[in-house]
Amino acid sequence: NAGVTQTPKFQVLKTGQSMTLQCAQDMNHEYMSWYRQDPGMGLRLIHYSVGAGITDQGEVPNGYNVSRSTTEDFPLRLLSAAPSQTSVYFCASTPQGGANVLTFGAGSRLTVL
Amino acid sequence: GENVEQHPSTLSVQEGDSAVIKCTYSDSASNYFPWYKQELGKRPQLIIDIRSNVGEKKDQRIAVTLNKTAKHFSLHITETQPEDSAVYFCAASIIGGGSQGNLIFGKGTKLSVKP
Repeated sequence: NAGVTQTPKFQVLKTGQSMTLQCAQDMNHEYMSWYRQDPGMGLRLIHYSVGAGITDQGEVPNGYNVSRSTTEDFPLRLLSAAPSQTSVYFCASTPQGGANVLTFGAGSRLTVL
Repeated sequence: GENVEQHPSTLSVQEGDSAVIKCTYSDSASNYFPWYKQELGKRPQLIIDIRSNVGEKKDQRIAVTLNKTAKHFSLHITETQPEDSAVYFCAASIIGGGSQGNLIFGKGTKLSVKP
């Protein structure tokens, strides 16, 4: 099993550009989530999904969209990138519910100029 | 909503000493408290977790204690080694409101173990 795979690992955007961070897991996990990590701020939940076709907002959802058309994939879309979205993004999954061991992807470092 | 406070933000110890990191949470309904270790440039990885029906859990040099009444939990690392140097995050689950047990993380503790 590859676990949780995130692409790209690094990305530089200009303000106003849009892009999608990809996340895929091959463990048949129902629950998937996106976190952003900023220095001194810990990990903050952006969006999460408890199964295909179901998504909901976390702590810091503004400026991001998600969809969950399959169990395996949970892409995160930045609609109009802003410098405040410069961060490291982690996708994570768990078999069911969030109150269980999260398996994290390797992270995607995004810089918005 | 749930709030998780973590202290200290940085901790420096000599090799062989013990290290203690403390976290407090606000939602008395929280029932799951994991600890993650993140080495520089790597992904967070679970090192130990505890559920609200247990007061203490040990795994070799690592232990976690939970005080539900006071709403705080702590990570204890004994006989620290240089490879324990990393950032440690505590987390607590959110209960209710359709949150499905999402985790709220503390801001992290940077542990440095000096040889």
